Amino acid sequence: GQSLEQPSEVTAVEGAIVQINCTYQTSGFYGLSWYQQHDGGAPTFLSYNALDGLEETGRFSSFLSRSDSYGYLLLQELQMKDSASYFCAVDFGNEKLTFGTGTRLTIIP
Amino acid sequence: DTAVSQTPKYLVTQMGNDKSIKCEQNLGHDTMYWYKQDSKKFLKIMFSYNNKELIINETVPNRFSPKSPDKAHLNLHINSLELGDSAVYFCASSQESGSGRRVSWELFFGEGSRLTVL
Repeated sequence: GQSLEQPSEVTAVEGAIVQINCTYQTSGFYGLSWYQQHDGGAPTFLSYNALDGLEETGRFSSFLSRSDSYGYLLLQELQMKDSASYFCAVDFGNEKLTFGTGTRLTIIP
Repeated sequence: DTAVSQTPKYLVTQMGNDKSIKCEQNLGHDTMYWYKQDSKKFLKIMFSYNNKELIINETVPNRFSPKSPDKAHLNLHINSLELGDSAVYFCASSQESGSGRRVSWELFFGEGSRLTVL
């Protein structure tokens, strides 16, 4: 089967670091993406990992370990505007993105 | 210029009615999608078109009929609306990577169309 699991909610303090995990179960896999969605807004692309390791883009980094079927999104120097839902999404090799259930991140002062 | 635009942004209608949502992208992408996001924020793919050809049709009731007049447009028509159709519908587009493995999986989403069926 193909499934993606994320924590439903995470709370973190402004200025701190937070990690949002994503685990998947699949027999085929071609890459892990991350998307951010603010309330009432559209999902927007953050990163894509085709290979194992860490990809860094400014304050955001994304990590993938295919042997562990696991990835995470790391957000540093958290700002209030980072409060949003974050989705991992996987290409299971069937030319479509399957999204995880999403993690609602709340930043507190 | 909005990259992916969809109209209308809000739709409120009665059960049994028929409604359409239009989507246009000016990014020159080959592939367009419709996703449904329910009240729990779960994003599920419905359809995918590549150069006007249907390539993905998930287990969606046949009351939902997508139409792609050209590769820049993908419209969604819904017949005999039901309460469970209430959701936010997102149109998206992406560029095919051609032969070989993708180097990125970036979807560009429209702002969404919130459908409420009463």
